[in-house]
Amino acid sequence: EDQVTQSPEALRLQEGESSSLNCSYTVSGLRGLFWYRQDPGKGPEFLFTLYSAGEEKEKERLKATLTKKESFLHITAPKPEDSATYLCAVQARSNYQLIWGAGTKLIIKP
Amino acid sequence: DSGVTQTPKHLITATGQRVTLRCSPRSGDLSVYWYQQSLDQGLQFLIHYYNGEERAKGNILERFSAQQFPDLHSELNLSSLELGDSALYFCASSVADRTPYEQYFGPGTRLTVT
Repeated sequence: EDQVTQSPEALRLQEGESSSLNCSYTVSGLRGLFWYRQDPGKGPEFLFTLYSAGEEKEKERLKATLTKKESFLHITAPKPEDSATYLCAVQARSNYQLIWGAGTKLIIKP
Repeated sequence: DSGVTQTPKHLITATGQRVTLRCSPRSGDLSVYWYQQSLDQGLQFLIHYYNGEERAKGNILERFSAQQFPDLHSELNLSSLELGDSALYFCASSVADRTPYEQYFGPGTRLTVT
């Protein structure tokens, strides 16, 4: 069964303290992996798409990487405005619909 | 701003009633997706339309239905509402239907059933 698991569920960091969020997936052939950011009460905001193992993408303090079994969202020197829930979704070859993880709630304290 | 619009922003109604949520996709996007997100829950996929045709159904209740019109806007109809239907309802759009293009989300409609 296709599955996406995100860890940790929640992460509290001090401003400037770098860390990584994990998205593990089990799918029958990966077509694409997506990262989104969601603020409370708002719609998810698209961040990155990764298609194949070894691919990396960066945007400001965020960098997403992909292996054959998982993706990491690295956040470097985070600021309080980076606080949000980060969602991972996968599109498998067996099913064109996105399979969503439960998200990681990131809190950056000043 | 993603370019996806949803109306209304908030909706408060009573149990047993029927409501319609509206979504306009980004210019050029042919696919529309509907999601439900209950308090502190993940995104639950409801239904997908591509260029007016239903493409896939997720965990959508029989009391819920949707359609996509020739101008590509979409409506989600929720009937015989129950307290448990209270949630954020998001619409998303993308360029294609099967290739792994990213989905862009609207601001959502917050439905409260009392």
